[in-house]
Amino acid sequence: ELKVEQNPLFLSMQEGKNYTIYCNYSTTSDRLYWYRQDPGKSLESLFVLLSNGAVKQEGRLMASLDTKARLSTLHITAAVHDLSATYFCAGISNSNSGYALNFGKGTSLLVTP
Amino acid sequence: GAGVSQTPSNKVTEKGKYVELRCDPISGHTALYWYRQSLGQGPEFLIYFQGTGAADDSGLPNDRFFAVRPEGSVSTLKIQRTERGDSAVYLCASSFYPGGRAGELFFGEGSRLTVL
Repeated sequence: ELKVEQNPLFLSMQEGKNYTIYCNYSTTSDRLYWYRQDPGKSLESLFVLLSNGAVKQEGRLMASLDTKARLSTLHITAAVHDLSATYFCAGISNSNSGYALNFGKGTSLLVTP
Repeated sequence: GAGVSQTPSNKVTEKGKYVELRCDPISGHTALYWYRQSLGQGPEFLIYFQGTGAADDSGLPNDRFFAVRPEGSVSTLKIQRTERGDSAVYLCASSFYPGGRAGELFFGEGSRLTVL
């Protein structure tokens, strides 16, 4: 079964700073997902990374995928308070159907003034 | 509707009772997923439907949990003889991909179940 580990699990950072969230996974997953969740809300899709070396950027967030290292990163540039949320990465499990997403525990991000 | 709709948004029940949670996916999405999210955890896969059939139910924790999608659209997650450990937010997601592997999943707001 695919195991997904994120670190850090908690992150407090100042506005304007840069930081990276790491997502390691245990077995082959040919695509990697990043989601954002605000308190009491559902998950919002941020990125779907489909191949080795894929890099996607949206605003202050940039995600990348290294399938050989089984690693994805979510880089935050010049953080602002609005980015405070929990961020999840998920990979595809090699289950019977091959369609189940396995999520990490999430990284709870707090951006402070 | 524009997004995935789940009802009820909140359900409080007593231990041993039967519960049904409903999911109305995005129109035209053939794939439907149920996940369960406990406090402070990531979503945990329960079951996946492609059309009317359950293509993967390997995540259902035991036989008290059952889900149906009789017409390939709306799905109902059914929990019998509820236990306190079933308390969680139950999330539904849908996706469209014509014969390929999973694309982007769109999640509903969830149904928060509390078993007293």
